[in-house]
Amino acid sequence: AQSVTQLDSHVSVSEGTPVLLRCNYSSSYSPSLFWYVQHPNKGLQLLLKYTSAATLVKGINGFEAEFKKSETSFHLTKPSAHMSDAAEYFCVVSDRQGYSTLTFGKGTMLLVSP
Amino acid sequence: NAGVTQTPKFQVLKTGQSMTLQCAQDMNHEYMSWYRQDPGMGLRLIHYSVGAGITDQGEVPNGYNVSRSTTEDFPLRLLSAAPSQTSVYFCASSRLGGGTDTQYFGPGTRLTVL
Repeated sequence: AQSVTQLDSHVSVSEGTPVLLRCNYSSSYSPSLFWYVQHPNKGLQLLLKYTSAATLVKGINGFEAEFKKSETSFHLTKPSAHMSDAAEYFCVVSDRQGYSTLTFGKGTMLLVSP
Repeated sequence: NAGVTQTPKFQVLKTGQSMTLQCAQDMNHEYMSWYRQDPGMGLRLIHYSVGAGITDQGEVPNGYNVSRSTTEDFPLRLLSAAPSQTSVYFCASSRLGGGTDTQYFGPGTRLTVL
């Protein structure tokens, strides 16, 4: 069984300040972990993924995440927020077994103010 | 290369009506899936397919049918629409299963059932 908890439903930051979106997971196997972003009225787009290689994963648009097995966490960070980062972010876990399915967190809405 | 396409973009149904949501991909992906997105719930898996002729149920399959006669197409059928099926529906595809592969999402279909 697998599950994922996004610890904040909304995060507000000012443009130019750091972003931290928190995600904890549970998985019976060694997991794959993903962050997807959804801009208003759009489909989802992959930001980054962890699939057992380096624990610090770099993604698009300056985002990165660190897989911490001891803390069962996969938090998403960015050093400096941009207005265009305002969107909903989903943490996703998969147990990496063949055709395993994805389990989505409930999402964190990132609000960026000027 | 159109990626994943979905039709229609918007649909309003009356309770008891049936309809088919269309999904197509031109990337020769084996794995396709349908999700529904409800506020505060993240995305929940309805049905998925690992290849032509092979489908399986996800987390919330009741009230929905699928079939996969070709690699490209994966339609979702609502047999007798209910207000609880009001949601945004996303189709996704990937080369292999959800374990490590990037999922490519369509733009979504917004369905309202009155």
